Amino acid sequence: AQSVTQPDIHITVSEGASLELRCNYSYGATPYLFWYVQSPGQGLQLLLKYFSGDTLVQGIKGFEAEFKRSQSSFNLRKPSVHWSDAAEYFCAVGAAGNKLTFGGGTRVLVKP
Amino acid sequence: GAVVSQHPSWVICKSGTSVKIECRSLDFQATTMFWYRQFPKQSLMLMATSNEGSKATYEQGVEKDKFLINHASLTLSTLTVTSAHPEDSSFYICSAVGLAGTKETQYFGPGTRLLVL
Repeated sequence: AQSVTQPDIHITVSEGASLELRCNYSYGATPYLFWYVQSPGQGLQLLLKYFSGDTLVQGIKGFEAEFKRSQSSFNLRKPSVHWSDAAEYFCAVGAAGNKLTFGGGTRVLVKP
Repeated sequence: GAVVSQHPSWVICKSGTSVKIECRSLDFQATTMFWYRQFPKQSLMLMATSNEGSKATYEQGVEKDKFLINHASLTLSTLTVTSAHPEDSSFYICSAVGLAGTKETQYFGPGTRLLVL
């Protein structure tokens, strides 16, 4: 069975500082991995996805993620956060087009 | 492109009534749509997979007679919460599977917040 773990429930970061959100997955085959962002009371917006190929994936809003098969990880990074990056971030695993399994989410707070 | 809408965006109803939530893919056809439920401060949990022209597939623990899903066309899936009770209050999110380049990708709707009094 597939599963996703996001070890950090909350992260607080200062504006302009770097951000890294951790994601570990368990999947029986080559995973398709996703990062979504959710603002309060809103739906999900896709930040980036990994299907195959280059293990460093670039997404929207200056985010990137690196797939590390040996560590079963797909961590999300941003070099310099903006106040508008405060939101809930979800990592998900699944086959493209098929049902996704989400991690528990990491809430990011940005300090001025 | 790849916009998914949900209607209504929020609904308040009395206990015992039924509520219908629509999920539409606005600019693409989706043979598969998914319905998720999200309780406050929790992650999304898949409820069911909706396939156009066939019966929905429900996840374990989800009552199919309570959460009726109809995927009557390639752009519309509906979720009806029958005889709603306060514990059904939640944020319901749908997604529709479309193509991003050559890969299938889920596109999420903005969600529907249901409050059952």
